[in-house]
Amino acid sequence: LAKTTQPISMDSYEGQEVNITCSHNNIATNDYITWYQQFPSQGPRFIIQGYKTKVTNEVASLFIPADRKSSTLSLPRVSLSDTAVYYCLVGDKNAGNMLTFGGGTRLMVKP
Amino acid sequence: DAGVIQSPRHEVTEMGQEVTLRCKPISGHNSLFWYRQTMMRGLELLIYFNNNVPIDDSGMPEDRFSAKMPNASFSTLKIQPSEPRDSAVYFCASSPGQGECYTFGSGTRLTVV
Repeated sequence: LAKTTQPISMDSYEGQEVNITCSHNNIATNDYITWYQQFPSQGPRFIIQGYKTKVTNEVASLFIPADRKSSTLSLPRVSLSDTAVYYCLVGDKNAGNMLTFGGGTRLMVKP
Repeated sequence: DAGVIQSPRHEVTEMGQEVTLRCKPISGHNSLFWYRQTMMRGLELLIYFNNNVPIDDSGMPEDRFSAKMPNASFSTLKIQPSEPRDSAVYFCASSPGQGECYTFGSGTRLTVV
């Protein structure tokens, strides 16, 4: 399984754009990249998933370079409520092995 | 849909007692997962089921832990006997298929004293 590496923590201020990068150097051809968000005392919540290039939804954008060895979750204009832990997962969704959560990135948004 | 429903939300028990955690997945979801979260070890996958059949239980810590899924709408995770080191938040998640994105429940915070 592809191992992921993320920064342990990041700080930002309200209204700023936040970019969290995940490294996955040994990503396999069939692997997808998925990001989850976890608030205190809650279970993780799906944010976005992608395979290559760029994916955007109402919450975030996911940028994946051509070599796919990393990915960047972009949160536009964060607010205090975006303070959470963000997890990057990599795996073959058709093989059912997208199951391992790493340590995640603890994002703190300050006023 | 009410989402993934876990019970109880909190459980405090004495060492040596049996603990049963319950989960009702989202209707129509074919895969169910049990995770454990602690500060030290983060989120760990304990076991997952596909179509009510256990697929991978390699994450189950030891024989004191067991999980069942008697039907598509219910699963249990049992710890017998419980130990203080089992204290953690236990999450249940479900997904439409093995590789699809998960919906997590609110978790059960277990404290073993």
